[in-house]
Amino acid sequence: GAVVSQHPSWVICKSGTSVKIECRSLDFQATTMFWYRQFPKQSLMLMATSNEGSKATYEQGVEKDKFLINHASLTLSTLTVTSAHPEDSSFYICSARDRIEGQPQHFGDGTRLSIL
Amino acid sequence: AQSVTQLDSHVSVSEGTPVLLRCNYSSSYSPSLFWYVQHPNKGLQLLLKYTSAATLVKGINGFEAEFKKSETSFHLTKPSAHMSDAAEYFCVVSLSYNTDKLIFGTGTRLQVFP
Repeated sequence: GAVVSQHPSWVICKSGTSVKIECRSLDFQATTMFWYRQFPKQSLMLMATSNEGSKATYEQGVEKDKFLINHASLTLSTLTVTSAHPEDSSFYICSARDRIEGQPQHFGDGTRLSIL
Repeated sequence: AQSVTQLDSHVSVSEGTPVLLRCNYSSSYSPSLFWYVQHPNKGLQLLLKYTSAATLVKGINGFEAEFKKSETSFHLTKPSAHMSDAAEYFCVVSLSYNTDKLIFGTGTRLQVFP
């Protein structure tokens, strides 16, 4: 149980384009989903927390207009990297938590984003 | 405030020998503690979690960890390493009643030699 699916797993695109990444909880309802960024050989950095039906909460230093988050249902959150540039290249990972308080976060397999 | 320290950035073991990955934490309140594993170009998989029940926690793939409050430690162990255990391991702490804010350790890369 507790499977989180993230799509796509790899994206290569030109500078200036926008890229959408999907995160789905397959067998549980996730009122809260999280988006992380991971730089090579480093730990995960929380970018934002998204709650179903409300605006995402962004961590300090994360541009909300650059990284658009939508959490339209209890099983789906999307991250759109707008007008992507090479410095946005990274490994993006989503996670989801069951609606029950205190449950662990379950992570997707990540998306490797490369901007040329 | 909460923090977590993974004492070793790299650990190398031979296949069939024991594994010990060390983690110390700091928390002002009752913590939840987790160990996650990350294989290359993959997300994080939950190995085990401590949430104020039994102090010895058994996880998947033969891993276990012991919560020692007096030592503020939560070390991960496995009696016999397999080649497939080679990966990055993260020790993570959160508040027991709020797992939305995870504090990650810097990770330990485990290498397993044949």
